[in-house]
Amino acid sequence: DAMVIQNPRYQVTQFGKPVTLSCSQTLNHNVMYWYQQKSSQAPKLLFHYYDKDFNNEADTPDNFQSRRPNTSFCFLDIRSPGLGDAAMYLCATSSTSGVSVTQYFGPGTRLTVL
Amino acid sequence: DAKTTQPNSMESNEEEPVHLPCNHSTISGTDYIHWYRQLPSQGPEYVIHGLTSNVNNRMASLAIAEDRKSSTLILHRATLRDAAVYYCILIRLGDMRFGAGTRLTVKP
Repeated sequence: DAMVIQNPRYQVTQFGKPVTLSCSQTLNHNVMYWYQQKSSQAPKLLFHYYDKDFNNEADTPDNFQSRRPNTSFCFLDIRSPGLGDAAMYLCATSSTSGVSVTQYFGPGTRLTVL
Repeated sequence: DAKTTQPNSMESNEEEPVHLPCNHSTISGTDYIHWYRQLPSQGPEYVIHGLTSNVNNRMASLAIAEDRKSSTLILHRATLRDAAVYYCILIRLGDMRFGAGTRLTVKP
């Protein structure tokens, strides 16, 4: 089945130690998104790629970076994780961007910062 | 950003219909109304979307008020697997902004 895959499902890192989360998709979608979801809160969009074009949300901290080396893969890099960055990180894809487009989400990676 | 308002939580009995309301009084003419749900420990999943007319699919129905300032997601027969947080979202210019959502509890 075509899907959005996130690895690992659980990631533990130390305060200040860089960490990378990965997302891959077999849907061949043009757009890939990264969301942050803290406990008992709604997902919050961090940024997205439309093909190779990177679109950052205005309030996304500089500590968060992303790479998309090809259509299938997208990475979320947290350069110096703080305790406040502990959250579920969700990757999503869509075929295009637009008001009627459906997003397909992966299962998420839960990040713990010690 | 267009804002939606939903009840924090709702309860339903198994195999009964559930009507989940959403208010979006600041909706603009080109905003689509989307519903997603998030089951425990999973990513959100698409449920249904519409613009002006009521919509039906295999998961649910979406009833949109004539003035488009509110909508209702209808689950025709709730099952225990429908227990989730349901998000009503207005999509403008392709960007999706989640509101707080409604946590639906289904009782056996």
